Amino acid sequence: GQSLEQPSEVTAVEGAIVQINCTYQTSGFYGLSWYQQHDGGAPTFLSYNALDGLEETGRFSSFLSRSDSYGYLLLQELQMKDSASYFCAVRDSSGNTPLVFGKGTRLSVIA
Amino acid sequence: KAGVTQTPRYLIKTRGQQVTLSCSPISGHRSVSWYQQTPGQGLQFLFEYFSETQRNKGNFPGRFSGRQFSNSRSEMNVSTLELGDSALYLCASKLGGQNYGYTFGSGTRLTVV
Repeated sequence: GQSLEQPSEVTAVEGAIVQINCTYQTSGFYGLSWYQQHDGGAPTFLSYNALDGLEETGRFSSFLSRSDSYGYLLLQELQMKDSASYFCAVRDSSGNTPLVFGKGTRLSVIA
Repeated sequence: KAGVTQTPRYLIKTRGQQVTLSCSPISGHRSVSWYQQTPGQGLQFLFEYFSETQRNKGNFPGRFSGRQFSNSRSEMNVSTLELGDSALYLCASKLGGQNYGYTFGSGTRLTVV
């Protein structure tokens, strides 16, 4: 089976940079995804890493190290609207296994 | 294009009753997954369907069941409701072949009293 570990809560100041870490244990590996969920809202897809390295999408970047079974989500120029829960998720093989989520990191952005 | 639609949005049921939740995926998406979300537990996987076939099932009791229709719409059913079944039930769809980019619906908030 799979398991994912991420911090339960993170607090950061508006305008700053924050990193949310995710470590995973899987029998195989087929990509690490990140989702954002605002209170009362649906999770929305942010990024996907299949290979080692950094993927950048605007203010958000995601990093993966397969050898370390580790990834992180980097949020730059934090805005109040970034206050939300962030989930990492993995599949351990293509197509035939479900997407498994971590328990989520609640990010609070303060002024 | 329209997103993933889940109905109803809110539901209150009595312990022992049964409930059916509905999910209409994005047009063209053939894969539908269901998740249960409770505070502090993240998203717990329930089922995954592809072209009317259940491809995966999570570690939930047999009271939880689901199905997918030929138009890719999916339903999940919970029988003999328990207080612990109170949760947000989320449905997500994706194109069959891709490995990422699930689109979630807003969920059905089920309260069992």
